[in-house]
Amino acid sequence: EDQVTQSPEALRLQEGESSSLNCSYTVSGLRGLFWYRQDPGKGPEFLFTLYSAGEEKEKERLKATLTKKESFLHITAPKPEDSATYLCAVDYLASQLIWGAGTKLIIKP
Amino acid sequence: DVKVTQSSRYLVKRTGEKVFLECVQDMDHENMFWYRQDPGLGLRLIYFSYDVKMKEKGDIPEGYSVSREKKERFSLILESASTNQTSMYLCASSTTGGVYEQYFGPGTRLTVT
Repeated sequence: EDQVTQSPEALRLQEGESSSLNCSYTVSGLRGLFWYRQDPGKGPEFLFTLYSAGEEKEKERLKATLTKKESFLHITAPKPEDSATYLCAVDYLASQLIWGAGTKLIIKP
Repeated sequence: DVKVTQSSRYLVKRTGEKVFLECVQDMDHENMFWYRQDPGLGLRLIYFSYDVKMKEKGDIPEGYSVSREKKERFSLILESASTNQTSMYLCASSTTGGVYEQYFGPGTRLTVT
């Protein structure tokens, strides 16, 4: 069964404490993997697209990487404003995505 | 600044009522989507539309219908609301070329009692 699993469900870090979020997938024939950020009370906001194993994308303190089975969202020296739920999604069919349940990231000052 | 707006942030309806959720985008996007988001589950696609008057079923279309009479507006209709349709409903839009870079509205939290 095609599915996307994100771990951990929640992650609490101190400000400045680097870590990684994981997104593993079982779809065959990956066309693309996407990371979104969702703040409380808001819709998701697009962050990155990764298309092939070995690809990396960076934005401020975030770096996304992709292998054949999973993607990591690395967060370096996070700040409280990085607190959000991070969603991962995988291309399933044209114009459709399979979404993970998300990782809730809390950065304490 | 790109914008997707949804008609209500919070909505409370009774079982059996017909419910309309409206979504408007001002980016001239071809694609529009309706999702529902429930705790512990990923976003699930209800319907999407790639052009005016065109629609495609997503993963969970049962109990829902949609309407797209104008390019900027995409409506989700719950024909007869049920308690298991209590959820957060999110609308999104994207260009044809950037189907995965979707722009989301703030969501409508619907409670069916």
